[in-house]
Amino acid sequence: GAGVSQSPSNKVTEKGKDVELRCDPISGHTALYWYRQSLGQGLEFLIYFQGNSAPDKSGLPSDRFSAERTGGSVSTLTIQRTQQEDSAVYLCASSFKELAKNIQYFGAGTRLSVL
Amino acid sequence: QQQVKQSPQSLIVQKGGISIINCAYENTAFDYFPWYQQFPGKGPALLIAIRPDVSEKKEGRFTISFNKSAKQFSLHIMDSQPGDSATYFCAASLNSGGSNYKLTFGKGTLLTVNP
Repeated sequence: GAGVSQSPSNKVTEKGKDVELRCDPISGHTALYWYRQSLGQGLEFLIYFQGNSAPDKSGLPSDRFSAERTGGSVSTLTIQRTQQEDSAVYLCASSFKELAKNIQYFGAGTRLSVL
Repeated sequence: QQQVKQSPQSLIVQKGGISIINCAYENTAFDYFPWYQQFPGKGPALLIAIRPDVSEKKEGRFTISFNKSAKQFSLHIMDSQPGDSATYFCAASLNSGGSNYKLTFGKGTLLTVNP
C-alpha cells in the first residue's frame, strides 16, 4: 500500500498481558515515529527511529514500553504487563528526513483497550 | 510542561463562516509549525505548515497566521464547510540542524460545521 499501515486496528487485552503493535512505514521513508493519543489529549511522542542511528526513546512513559525497528522498515511497539492507563490509540508515522520538509505521514492507529 | 497550548477545545461554526483556532508555544527554538486534520477513525493528516520567517501562509481556504514575537500562530478556515468537521491539531518541532524532528502537539480542537 501507499500509506503507513498499522496492525491490528483494534486490540483488547487483559490487565497484565503483553501486547505487540506493528507499523509498516511508507517504503523508502527513513524516519519512523510512535505517538500515543489518549482521550481528550493531543498526540504524545513516544519514540523515534532514524536510519541506523540509536533511537530517541525519551518519550517512552515507563520501562514496560519498548520498540524496535527491523531492517530499517517495520517497527513493533511492545507494551509489557499492560495497565488500564495504557488504553489509548497508538499512532505510527513515517517521513523522509532528508527532505527539507518534515512531513510526517500517519497510519490510522491501533486502538488499545486494557480491561 | 505543555509546550504547545491550543484553544478552543471545541468550536461550532455555521456553513460559510470562518473557523479560527489558536495556538501558543513556549520553546523559541521551534522552527516548524504544522497543522494536522484528523477525521474519526483515521490518522492525522498534514493540512498546512509554516516556518517562522513568514507571517502568513495561505492554501485555498486555509490560512496560517504566525506571530513570532508573541509566540502564537493560528489557523483560519474561510467559508467553512460541513466536510471540514474534524479535529484539528497544531504542532511544533525543531526542523533543522539534524535534530530529532519529533512533533509536539496541542491537545486538539473539535470543529463542527453545521449545514
